This record gives sequence, C-alpha cells and structure tokens, in this order.
Amino acid sequence: KAGVTQTPRYLIKTRGQQVTLSCSPISGHRSVSWYQQTPGQGLQFLFEYFSETQRNKGNFPGRFSGRQFSNSRSEMNVSTLELGDSALYLCASSFYEGFQETQYFGPGTRLLVL
Amino acid sequence: KQEVTQIPAALSVPEGENLVLNCSFTDSAIYNLQWFRQDPGKGLTSLLLIQSSQREQTSGRLNASLDKSSGRSTLYIAASQPGDSATYLCAVYPDKLIFGTGTRLQVFP
Repeated sequence: KAGVTQTPRYLIKTRGQQVTLSCSPISGHRSVSWYQQTPGQGLQFLFEYFSETQRNKGNFPGRFSGRQFSNSRSEMNVSTLELGDSALYLCASSFYEGFQETQYFGPGTRLLVL
Repeated sequence: KQEVTQIPAALSVPEGENLVLNCSFTDSAIYNLQWFRQDPGKGLTSLLLIQSSQREQTSGRLNASLDKSSGRSTLYIAASQPGDSATYLCAVYPDKLIFGTGTRLQVFP
C-alpha cells in the first residue's frame, strides 16, 4: 500500500495570506489527524477527522480549520497567516477513530511565513 | 494538564552500545503510549505501541516498557547502529496524542 502523502511538501507565504494543505491517507484508513511541529513548541495536536466529522481538536485559534472528504482525504486551512505559523505540518492516518492503534505519518508540509 | 518529558534531550554514543531512553508523563490516565522516530526534516515512523494494560512491547532490537502508576516508559535499544541516529519521541493518548520533547540520538561508528 502507498503511504500517507502530503502536498505540497514546501510552501512559502507572506503574513496575512491563507494556505491550504492536503493529506491523502493510506487506502482504507478513515481517520486523519493533523499536527504542527515547531522547534519551540514541539509536536502539537491540531485536530482529528473521522468519516468526515471532526472528532477532536487541539488548542489552536480558529484560524486553523480542516475538513475531510468522503474519500477520507483531508485538507487543513490556515487563514491570516502569522510569522509564528511557520512550521512543519504533519498528518497521520489510521483505520479506527482515536489513537488506539498505530498512527502512520506523512512526510509533512514545511510552511515558511515571511 | 498532561505533560510529557523525555530525558536525556540529546545522546551521542559509539556503535554497539545498549541505550535507554526515558519518557515520563504527569497523568497516569492514558489509554496507550507510543514511541516514534523522526529523521531530520521528515515525518514520524511508529516504533512501538504499548496499551495501558500491557507492561512492555518488543520489536527486533527495541524494547519498550510502561509503568503507568509511576508515569514512566523506557525505550531500550540493543546494540546500537549508526542507522539508529534520529530523534525519538514518545506520545501518550488520554484523549488525544500528546508528545514528549524528544531525545536526539547520534550513534557514531
């Protein structure tokens, strides 16, 4: 099976712009979760989607949003970008809802906000 | 609030040594604990998952233990190799995955 794929891999934006990141889970997986990784804060959970519904959400402002499509592919959107949004954004997929089983991570999208 | 700490933050050892990486968490109410490795600039690779009812899990040269009551987990790497060089992260699952601060491991020939 193909692994989790994320597009684009690299992105440069300026403050105030918005960005959309995409994640395609492993075939058959229905849960997709998103994470932000920065040198200062480490890895932090953003949200989890299962069967097109947001099941869980981390402590991030409303500028961060996401959705999941019927084929389980997920998108994450960040509006009104700030310098502090520069980070590696990772998504992970699994078959079941929640984190009771192994999470399979994609390579990430590195976002730089200037 | 659940907090996850990993010690040491960095470790540099010669090839062949047996290693112990530590992970501690403040709230014992977890469903499972997972260990991951991350290579520079890349995503995470799952190594081991220990359910809250289990005491340890083994995969090849890796062995992870879990002591929920004391809020501790250890990852034991036997006969380390240069290819083991990476950052190792532990994560606990109470209601979402909460990651530790990571241990950056370098194994030199």
